[in-house]
Amino acid sequence: DGGITQSPKYLFRKEGQNVTLSCEQNLNHDAMYWYRQDPGQGLRLIYYSQIVNDFQKGDIAEGYSVSREKKESFPLTVTSAQKNPTAFYLCASSTAVRYEQYFGPGTRLTVT
Amino acid sequence: AQSVTQLDSQVPVFEEAPVELRCNYSSSVSVYLFWYVQYPNQGLQLLLKYLSGSTLVKGINGFEAEFNKSQTSFHLRKPSVHISDTAEYFCAVSDPVGSNYKLTFGKGTLLTVNP
Repeated sequence: DGGITQSPKYLFRKEGQNVTLSCEQNLNHDAMYWYRQDPGQGLRLIYYSQIVNDFQKGDIAEGYSVSREKKESFPLTVTSAQKNPTAFYLCASSTAVRYEQYFGPGTRLTVT
Repeated sequence: AQSVTQLDSQVPVFEEAPVELRCNYSSSVSVYLFWYVQYPNQGLQLLLKYLSGSTLVKGINGFEAEFNKSQTSFHLRKPSVHISDTAEYFCAVSDPVGSNYKLTFGKGTLLTVNP
């Protein structure tokens, strides 16, 4: 089945540690995205990538980093510089920007 | 920049009643419009989309939405809801021709269907 996988489903880290969230898609989509979701705030775009080896900052990129070395993969690193990292993180992909996005199941990160 | 307003943060209804979830977007020459559903602790699932053509769009699970350009609205409707429709619903818009082509999401409407 084609789709997007995110792992792990739940992730716990101590404050001050970097953590990397995995996102893999087998839909052959060119564009991939990372969103952060907090209660009552909807989805906020962290980073997006339209093509391999290229990515752009979204609305809340500070404290996050990404890479896009393969078309299928778009990992997100939450660095220790992110002041409030506890959230639900969603990865998505689309054939191109502008069009509908398909979402993974999400990773809930808790930092204490 | 595009913006999306979902006018109701919560909508409680009884099972088998009709429901309308409202969505308004900021004016633009043309838009692509989407509705997504999110069940607890899951990702978003596309319900329906409007890219062009007929202003009445039918989606999955018996939902439909109507694009109204003059009122810049894209309200989601279902004639008879089920308990299983309890979820959060997000409206999203993109600009198909301008520079701001990313999807912009509303803050969501929590639909609660009561027995």
